[in-house]
Amino acid sequence: EADIYQTPRYLVIGTGKKITLECSQTMGHDKMYWYQQDPGMELHLIHYSYGVNSTEKGDLSSESTVSRIRTEHFPLTLESARPSHTSQYLCASSDRIGNTIYFGEGSWLTVV
Amino acid sequence: AQTVTQSQPEMSVQEAETVTLSCTYDTSESDYYLFWYKQPPSRQMILVIRQEAYKQQNATENRFSVNFQKAAKSFSLKISDSQLGDAAMYFCAYRSAPANTGNQFYFGTGTSLTVIP
Repeated sequence: EADIYQTPRYLVIGTGKKITLECSQTMGHDKMYWYQQDPGMELHLIHYSYGVNSTEKGDLSSESTVSRIRTEHFPLTLESARPSHTSQYLCASSDRIGNTIYFGEGSWLTVV
Repeated sequence: AQTVTQSQPEMSVQEAETVTLSCTYDTSESDYYLFWYKQPPSRQMILVIRQEAYKQQNATENRFSVNFQKAAKSFSLKISDSQLGDAAMYFCAYRSAPANTGNQFYFGTGTSLTVIP
């Protein structure tokens, strides 16, 4: 399995709380991604990064923000969580050539 | 943007039998990569097989093989001798080549495969 890690795996938080989903990879990959996926549904790209200090919004509009201060780290933050944010968030990375994407195990977020 | 279509939301197969999952895509590019990813319930998504568009030979990985029809823009996955551990959601994905910084992975909506003992 690929060396990409997400924490927390499962989280239940109240509306209005701030939450940061952590993602780290030890492969030295330049490119990192965040996808949102509802159970049994398609993946939606919400953020990606080409490298340090590079972040871009994906195809699906999201109220979350990301940062890329270090190559290995790509956290996603929700400043004020709402029930509509309940979903699975998948972090992924690929090398500079980018022929294959590696996924973390996902973070299941429930906002009550 | 490229689109990837998986027209079979759900499929089932008897253990030890063969099943084929369909995928079509839309692109105007001539060079690209195609992938099948497997996502077991509550587990990590993993790469099953990858195909380079410039290669005419279909990729194979043990019990998994693809039928790549470039002109038809079709990329089906065949699982032979199905096992209970093959039960998962399968996603077809597309990526442009060469690997420019703006190129992203595009995923289909997935096919849920059930393996019947």
